[in-house]
Amino acid sequence: QQQVKQSPQSLIVQKGGIPIINCAYENTAFDYFPWYQQFPGKGPALLIAIRPDVSEKKEGRFTISFNKSAKQFSLHIMDSQPGDSATYFCAAAGRAQKLVFGQGTRLTINP
Amino acid sequence: SQTIHQWPATLVQPVGSPLSLECTVEGTSNPNLYWYRQAAGRGLQLLFYSVGIGQISSEVPQNLSASRPQDRQFILSSKKLLLSDSGFYLCAWTSDNSYEQYFGPGTRLTVT
Repeated sequence: QQQVKQSPQSLIVQKGGIPIINCAYENTAFDYFPWYQQFPGKGPALLIAIRPDVSEKKEGRFTISFNKSAKQFSLHIMDSQPGDSATYFCAAAGRAQKLVFGQGTRLTINP
Repeated sequence: SQTIHQWPATLVQPVGSPLSLECTVEGTSNPNLYWYRQAAGRGLQLLFYSVGIGQISSEVPQNLSASRPQDRQFILSSKKLLLSDSGFYLCAWTSDNSYEQYFGPGTRLTVT
């Protein structure tokens, strides 16, 4: 129940394409869903986050879509660039403020 | 603005040696603090979290321990390192009333 399942494990997209990364959760007590971006050898950086009372949130080229009934959420990157190549992690948290992370998606944007 | 520091950045230690990793946060008070471990190519595993000085919760029984001697200082320790302790150790913080969790630059530990 504490797991967050993320897919795909790796993804290759051409520049300008729209990579989509998906996550699913079981625990209905989760009420905060962030995405993190991590470059090799660096700590993860908070990218964007959503609460379950909205179905979509956009920040720049990054969009989270949230489906509460399906217990799924996804990250879309519009007009992807080679600089977006990184590992992306979804996560979920409940009232205890402890994040449960997905296993990560290694994204490569080819020029 | 808030800043989180970790040191050392990299560490190579022999099996059986002790360990001490330090994390400090600047620009905030009474943060919640977290230690994670990330194995190569894997996700992040929460090891310990702390909501205040001297208050430590352990998530995974293991060879490690944590301490919080000051409000903005979090220390990860081991008396005797195992090969399986190798990994990328990350410290993170949140403010008391926020979910937004911010990570430090990490420490790469290799146990030989």
